[in-house]
Amino acid sequence: AAGVIQSPRHLIKEKRETATLKCYPIPRHDTVYWYQQGPGQDPQFLISFYEKMQSDKGSIPDRFSAQQFSDYHSELNMSSLELGDSALYFCASSSTRGRGNTIYFGEGSWLTVV
Amino acid sequence: QKEVEQDPGPLSVPEGAIVSLNCTYSNSAFQYFMWYRQYSRKGPELLMYTYSSGNKEDGRFTAQVDKSSKYISLFIRDSQPSDSATYLCAMSALGGYQKVTFGIGTKLQVIP
Repeated sequence: AAGVIQSPRHLIKEKRETATLKCYPIPRHDTVYWYQQGPGQDPQFLISFYEKMQSDKGSIPDRFSAQQFSDYHSELNMSSLELGDSALYFCASSSTRGRGNTIYFGEGSWLTVV
Repeated sequence: QKEVEQDPGPLSVPEGAIVSLNCTYSNSAFQYFMWYRQYSRKGPELLMYTYSSGNKEDGRFTAQVDKSSKYISLFIRDSQPSDSATYLCAMSALGGYQKVTFGIGTKLQVIP
């Protein structure tokens, strides 16, 4: 079965640079989520999109922005990168057509800021 | 206080043991409960989900929900070294788009 696809899988950037992560949700899923997971931490919710509109916002820094496109893929843009942005970034998707909101995760994109 | 509390462990058990992993929550709106398994540097993998109080079994895994106590559990029978991972509970309200809230995850090590 198709899963959530994320790219790139690994990314190394210098401080103050910009990074863009891409996410392709499971086909027919209408909701995309972005999470950030630092070492030894639980996934922290950043932002979500439902039918291409922002549906919820968590602890996303102002330096970060995201959007969902007409084909439902999503991109997370991170500017003025800081060392503390080094983390594993997960994209996840779900379908709201079911009774519960089961989230399926991608394998994550490792961002290292040096 | 976090909405979902989970003991981070680590929890070490011998192979073959029954493992009990638990979460408590404070938000009465949570009606949908999930358990994820996460291997190091990998995305969380959905193990089980349940809506109602009571038990749900899937192979060696049993998910238990007690809404009156706001307490959920995941039991792993006949634990294997390959079960060594971090287990995250997650929960949300029902209906349409709902934000999912995660526990911090319990790190489990099954020793051969």
